[in-house]
Amino acid sequence: DAGVIQSPRHEVTEMGQEVTLRCKPISGHDYLFWYRQTMMRGLELLIYFNNNVPIDDSGMPEDRFSAKMPNASFSTLKIQPSEPRDSAVYFCASNSLPTDTQYFGPGTRLTVL
Amino acid sequence: AQSVAQPEDQVNVAEGNPLTVKCTYSVSGNPYLFWYVQYPNRGLQFLLKYITGDNLVKGSYGFEAEFNKSQTSFHLKKPSALVSDSALYFCAVRDKSGRRALTFGSGTRLQVQP
Repeated sequence: DAGVIQSPRHEVTEMGQEVTLRCKPISGHDYLFWYRQTMMRGLELLIYFNNNVPIDDSGMPEDRFSAKMPNASFSTLKIQPSEPRDSAVYFCASNSLPTDTQYFGPGTRLTVL
Repeated sequence: AQSVAQPEDQVNVAEGNPLTVKCTYSVSGNPYLFWYVQYPNRGLQFLLKYITGDNLVKGSYGFEAEFNKSQTSFHLKKPSALVSDSALYFCAVRDKSGRRALTFGSGTRLQVQP
């Protein structure tokens, strides 16, 4: 089992640019979560999906952030336009009902200059 | 709203000694409780969870945690610490109904000295 896969692992961009983060969940998992980790705010949920449908997006900071899950094996988190305060580590996690345990990807470290 | 408190930013312990990392929670209804560990520049790794049943839960790498409902605590323990246990530890909670997102504590850095 390859685990949750995220790409890229590191992203450095300039303010105003569009950033797209990608996630492939563990096969067979029907929940997918996007979290953000910063020194100031710790780990916080951005959005989660069940069977490709967004269930709770209350953590998405503002309209600059959007997330999609076009199929069971792929999700994207897009920031447009990016700002320096978006700099953080973004984690994707997936979960199946029987185990009810979230497994995390390695994260994408985003730096917005 | 649910919340998790990890009152210690850092815990220092000598190798071979027992360790405890504290966690208290607040949630409406019965909780699901989790511990994760994060090594530098890595994602979170699942250690153990409490769903129901025995209050003492055993997990990976010799870690265990005790669920105490009256004290709303879920402290992480290990009888004999290793230098390789040095990492950042997160406690997390969710309630058993509906919303499946985890609420995390602020993390506790464990430093095991040789």
